[in-house]
Amino acid sequence: ETGVTQTPRHLVMGMTNKKSLKCEQHLGHNAMYWYKQSAKKPLELMFVYNFKEQTENNSVPSRFSPECPNSSHLFLHLHTLQPEDSALYLCASSPRHREGTEAFFGQGTRLTVV
Amino acid sequence: GQNIDQPTEMTATEGAIVQINCTYQTSGFNGLFWYQQHAGEAPTFLSYNVLDGLEEKGRFSSFLSRSKGYSYLLLKELQMKDSASYLCAVENSNYQLIWGAGTKLIIKP
Repeated sequence: ETGVTQTPRHLVMGMTNKKSLKCEQHLGHNAMYWYKQSAKKPLELMFVYNFKEQTENNSVPSRFSPECPNSSHLFLHLHTLQPEDSALYLCASSPRHREGTEAFFGQGTRLTVV
Repeated sequence: GQNIDQPTEMTATEGAIVQINCTYQTSGFNGLFWYQQHAGEAPTFLSYNVLDGLEEKGRFSSFLSRSKGYSYLLLKELQMKDSASYLCAVENSNYQLIWGAGTKLIIKP
């Protein structure tokens, strides 16, 4: 148990579907992150929220849409995805962004786009 | 560009010692992280190096040489449960985390 919970753990969706990934942390952290992890590739940072404000969007396609309603919850809304979007999507949190603190990761959502 | 290099896969024997290397080229340096990730699980924090030298934490140690852009993770008295991927990540001067692709460590009896 890492303190960061992601649901669902597995998701299969068609290219025309709309789905959402959920992340929840009760560690009292103020920064939350979405990462994409593909096989044998480095973790790719997608979005950063610091004190509920989006501070980074690393050239992520608009078919991925993040939402941070409060400092404990983070969503990733998905629509019209492509097969190459199939990957493990990891959520993480840290006390504050950009202060050299360790991140706590969720177990990820394994997404398959068919 | 910025990049982190680490071996894709390593194999070691239970009870032995293994060293996983990480070299980096980044825009400045604020610190270096090592994370462990078991298959299908979340990455978990192992160590954070800011200054040169060796930091020991039980069976795991992490070394940093900023002048050489080099770090290693040393695992002693290997156990089967140490089979996992080990991720190296460097914080550049903008506190952006640059990640390596990870080293898959296979432990054999």
